[in-house]
Amino acid sequence: DIQMTQSPSTLSASVGDRVTITCRASQSISSWLAWYQQKPGKAPKLLISRASSLEGGVPSRFSGSGSGTEFTLTISSLQPDDFATYYCQLYNSYSLTFGGGTKVEIK
Amino acid sequence: QVQLVQSGPEVKKPGSSLKVSCKASGDTFNTYAISWVRQAPGQGLEWMGGIIPMYGTTNYAQKFLGRVTITADESTSTAYMELSSLRSEDTAVYYCARGSWTPKKDYFSYFYMDVWGTGTTVSVSS
Repeated sequence: DIQMTQSPSTLSASVGDRVTITCRASQSISSWLAWYQQKPGKAPKLLISRASSLEGGVPSRFSGSGSGTEFTLTISSLQPDDFATYYCQLYNSYSLTFGGGTKVEIK
Repeated sequence: QVQLVQSGPEVKKPGSSLKVSCKASGDTFNTYAISWVRQAPGQGLEWMGGIIPMYGTTNYAQKFLGRVTITADESTSTAYMELSSLRSEDTAVYYCARGSWTPKKDYFSYFYMDVWGTGTTVSVSS
């Protein structure tokens, strides 16, 4: 099975900071990668699919890039509403695999 | 806009079974895949398996093979996830989620999930 590894596991940042989260696949997954945001007590919310396609209604400060085995989620200017946990996910596969998550905390 | 409404919280004894429901409203149920994802307290997301209601075909994560059964009732637009031989490690919030799919040569391939259920909290304790 393909493993998905996120880093860092926790990130402390301030409002206005540029934040980058990395997701690595154990083998090439082309661009079959999604990113989700999850807030405490809530279901995950889809942010990005196909590695870089922003879902409707998602602020443009979020962006995704990468292909093959290395992917990044960038928040260009962190806002108070962005403090949450972010997960990458491999898809277009028999089974779906999530990364371990990155918690973005207030510095 | 489709909504996925799940059944209420459960408290179970070790060794027993659990059955959680996920009722869809507002959109076509049977043309999507319904996946089940769980999240243990303070932990990450874990995909358990899914079903394509129009075909009744299922995909299961290796970890849960033999212990999980996912079914769907098209007449009520409801999917079910049954987990047997419960242990304390199964304490988690269980989510259903909708996603697209595509046929491959020997299986159905699942896509990302764009609509998530309300979540069902399950506690397993003696």
